[in-house]
Amino acid sequence: KQEVTQIPAALSVPEGENLVLNCSFTDSAIYNLQWFRQDPGKGLTSLLLIQSSQREQTSGRLNASLDKSSGRSTLYIAASQPGDSATYLCAVDSSNTGKLIFGQGTTLQVKP
Amino acid sequence: GAVVSQHPSRVICKSGTSVKIECRSLDFQATTMFWYRQFPKQSLMLMATSNEGSKATYEQGVEKDKFLINHASLTLSTLTVTSAHPEDSSFYICSAPMGPTNEKLFFGSGTQLSVL
Repeated sequence: KQEVTQIPAALSVPEGENLVLNCSFTDSAIYNLQWFRQDPGKGLTSLLLIQSSQREQTSGRLNASLDKSSGRSTLYIAASQPGDSATYLCAVDSSNTGKLIFGQGTTLQVKP
Repeated sequence: GAVVSQHPSRVICKSGTSVKIECRSLDFQATTMFWYRQFPKQSLMLMATSNEGSKATYEQGVEKDKFLINHASLTLSTLTVTSAHPEDSSFYICSAPMGPTNEKLFFGSGTQLSVL
C-alpha cells in the first residue's frame, strides 16, 4: 500500500530564505508526482507535476525534483516571500487514473 | 482553462440532516471524479471514485450507504452525506482528471461541512 510522508510538518522562515520541503513515498511504481499549495479553508492549486520519467520540473521560484528509485521528491522554493505562506501537499498517482495519495503536508510560514 | 465548480462552499447543518455537495465540470466531460475528505490538520484522504453511469467505488472504511455518490451525467457528480453527525464535519473536495493519461487534474474549491 502506497504511503506518502512529508517532512517537516511545519516550517517557519524569514522572508528571502531559500527552503526545501521533503516528500517520500514507499512504492516507487508511480506514474507521476505533484506538488500542490493549499490556503486555509480553500481548494488546491497545482504547482508542479513530475512524470515518472522526469527528474525535475521548474516554475518560477519553484523547483521540484524526483528520485523515483529512492522514493523521494523535494520542492525547492527560492527567495521565499510572505505570500508563499500556505500548506504544501505532495501527492503521487500510482494508478495512472488521477487517483492521488497525499502526504500530510508541510505548513510554511514566511515571516516579513 | 478547465474548471471544476463545487457547491456549496460552506454548510452548517443540524445532526441528522442530509447534505448534498455538487461538483460540476464546466468545460470538459468528466467520466470519472474523485471525492476526498480532509479533517483539520490532516491530509486529503480519498473517499470514493465516482464513475459516470455506474456505481461508485468506495475506499476501505468509507460507508457507501452514508456517503451516497451519483454521477448521472458527464459533467456532474454529487456526494450526499446522509444523516450527518458531528464526526462527519470535515472539508470535502472533488477532482476530475482530463486528458488521455489523466495527468491533468482539476479540483473543486471544496466544501466545509459543519454538523452541529
